[in-house]
Amino acid sequence: DTAVSQTPKYLVTQMGNDKSIKCEQNLGHDTMYWYKQDSKKFLKIMFSYNNKELIINETVPNRFSPKSPDKAHLNLHINSLELGDSAVYFCASSRTSGSTGELFFGEGSRLTVL
Amino acid sequence: GESVGLHLPTLSVQEGDNSIINCAYSNSASDYFIWYKQESGKGPQFIIDIRSNMDKRQGQRVTVLLNKTVKHLSLQIAATQPGDSAVYFCAENDYKLSFGAGTTVTVRA
Repeated sequence: DTAVSQTPKYLVTQMGNDKSIKCEQNLGHDTMYWYKQDSKKFLKIMFSYNNKELIINETVPNRFSPKSPDKAHLNLHINSLELGDSAVYFCASSRTSGSTGELFFGEGSRLTVL
Repeated sequence: GESVGLHLPTLSVQEGDNSIINCAYSNSASDYFIWYKQESGKGPQFIIDIRSNMDKRQGQRVTVLLNKTVKHLSLQIAATQPGDSAVYFCAENDYKLSFGAGTTVTVRA
């Protein structure tokens, strides 16, 4: 049973398209995240939701819109895709949104924009 | 810019030797630190954590050292094995978990 699962694992699309990545966690955690990992392996937080409520929104273009229908799901929709959006996107979850606690990551979704 | 970084982007280690991976952080308010391991094609996995009221913590074959005076974190891996080949990240937590750029560890047979 995968704890944090993301789909799709790979996504190749053209500039200007709109795409979504879905994430589900079965750990019963309250908090979920989206991270972006660039080609140099640098991991940067994008968003965090606690019990469906947005709590962290880093400097991310508003073409990126997260949606949390319930606390087990956090989806990421990206409008008008650009070349610079090519990256691996990781979903993660943690028990709480407090300042301590392990993050559990999914396997990543590799987005390639042509 | 990001507040957490690693001193070296790559580290090559002979199998059986000990590895030391270093990390500098800049936010003195951070009270919790984690080391993650990321194998190729996978998500980061938790290795070990340490709170700011400690300076050393040991796990199975791994030890994390925290020096708050110079804002330095290190991960020591004993008897490095081929399965230890991965990218290692340190992360610090104030209100969010911030990651450094990672050190790629390659284990030579």
